[in-house]
Amino acid sequence: DSGVTQTPKHLITATGQRVTLRCSPRSGDLSVYWYQQSLDQGLQFLIQYYNGEERAKGNILERFSAQQFPDLHSELNLSSLELGDSALYFCASSLGGPNTQYFGPGTRLTVL
Amino acid sequence: AQSVTQPDIHITVSEGASLELRCNYSYGATPYLFWYVQSPGQGLQLLLKYFSGDTLVQGIKGFEAEFKRSQSSFNLRKPSVHWSDAAEYFCAVVNQGGSEKLVFGKGTKLTVNP
Repeated sequence: DSGVTQTPKHLITATGQRVTLRCSPRSGDLSVYWYQQSLDQGLQFLIQYYNGEERAKGNILERFSAQQFPDLHSELNLSSLELGDSALYFCASSLGGPNTQYFGPGTRLTVL
Repeated sequence: AQSVTQPDIHITVSEGASLELRCNYSYGATPYLFWYVQSPGQGLQLLLKYFSGDTLVQGIKGFEAEFKRSQSSFNLRKPSVHWSDAAEYFCAVVNQGGSEKLVFGKGTKLTVNP
């Protein structure tokens, strides 16, 4: 158990819908990272937050957004969902800086 | 562009045999290096990491990896594979002086025959 929690574990929804994925980092970690894992793209970095502020953006679509709250948990919002958004979404946390990132169990999103 | 290459998409070994999974990276400077393992339906578990110092690092589950700067490689090894090692293995790097994002290789799927 990495100490990073993600909910829900599975999510099935329809095209055009909006969903929210939640992540709670390890105790003491200030950085939260979101990654997407798909068969064609592999593991791709989406976005990073550090102590409530956005720190880095990767290959994140404009339909996707995220935030980190004062208690350091983070939410990834996916809207206007398309079939191609079906993937496994991972959250990771670290102390910040180029340190070890610990991953949650992931949320499997299926868009029908 | 920064990249990580895992040349072997799929490797099959017999239980008890030795294992080496290859990883090469393309970076301007020495990055921080990691190996993660993903069992079916599971998240990513850290096996080991290299930041600096001794180029041979030990990890969990009997795995080790060796950093070779001249070859830009960070290969993962295990002397004797167990059936429970069947999983997908990902090499990843973080740029020391830049973005903190992990850049992953495409992964190597390991099958272990009894």
